Amino acid sequence: IAGITQAPTSQILAAGRRMTLRCTQDMRHNAMYWYRQDLGLGLRLIHYSNTAGTTGKGEVPDGYSVSRANTDDFPLTLASAVPSQTSVYFCASSATGLDTEAFFGQGTRLTVV
Amino acid sequence: GDSVTQMEGPVTLSEEACLTINCTYTATGYPSLFWYVQYPGEGLQLLLKATKADDKGSNKGFEATYRKETTSFHLEKGSVQVSDSAVYFCALSDHGNKLVFGAGTILRVKS
Repeated sequence: IAGITQAPTSQILAAGRRMTLRCTQDMRHNAMYWYRQDLGLGLRLIHYSNTAGTTGKGEVPDGYSVSRANTDDFPLTLASAVPSQTSVYFCASSATGLDTEAFFGQGTRLTVV
Repeated sequence: GDSVTQMEGPVTLSEEACLTINCTYTATGYPSLFWYVQYPGEGLQLLLKATKADDKGSNKGFEATYRKETTSFHLEKGSVQVSDSAVYFCALSDHGNKLVFGAGTILRVKS
């Protein structure tokens, strides 16, 4: 089934540890995004990539990094996790930008203790 | 900066009741407007969208009209079902690199 796959689905992580959230899409979309969802705050953009080889910072980029080596994969790395990074993380993609439909993965629930 | 404000929930309705979820926005220029829905345990899905003033987006019995004069994009449905229970997000696109989301409104429909 075409779409976006995120892994893991959930994770409990000790503070200070490094963690990479994986995201893969098979729709050949140019643009990909990482959001975090927190109660009462909606979704906030962490990082984005308009095309393979380029990335940009969103609204809340601090403590996170991304790479876009190819069209399909867009991993999100927490270099040294802190409890405030406890959240649900969603990866999304779109064909040509966010005027068109964005497709979301099922999310990764991350708890930093 | 751009922002989206939507009514706080949760909204609890009986089956077949009318639904309105208010959404207003602040943006420079002329954004595209969206409603996304998140069913329990799932990611977000596009419900409907409108790309210019006076456009009406519709899908699955839901409707929303892009009102430039009131900077609003209220979501409506004439008769809700239990299966409509979900979190609804209003969002705008600045034609650039991001969707700006509202905080989300939980809808609970009782049978």
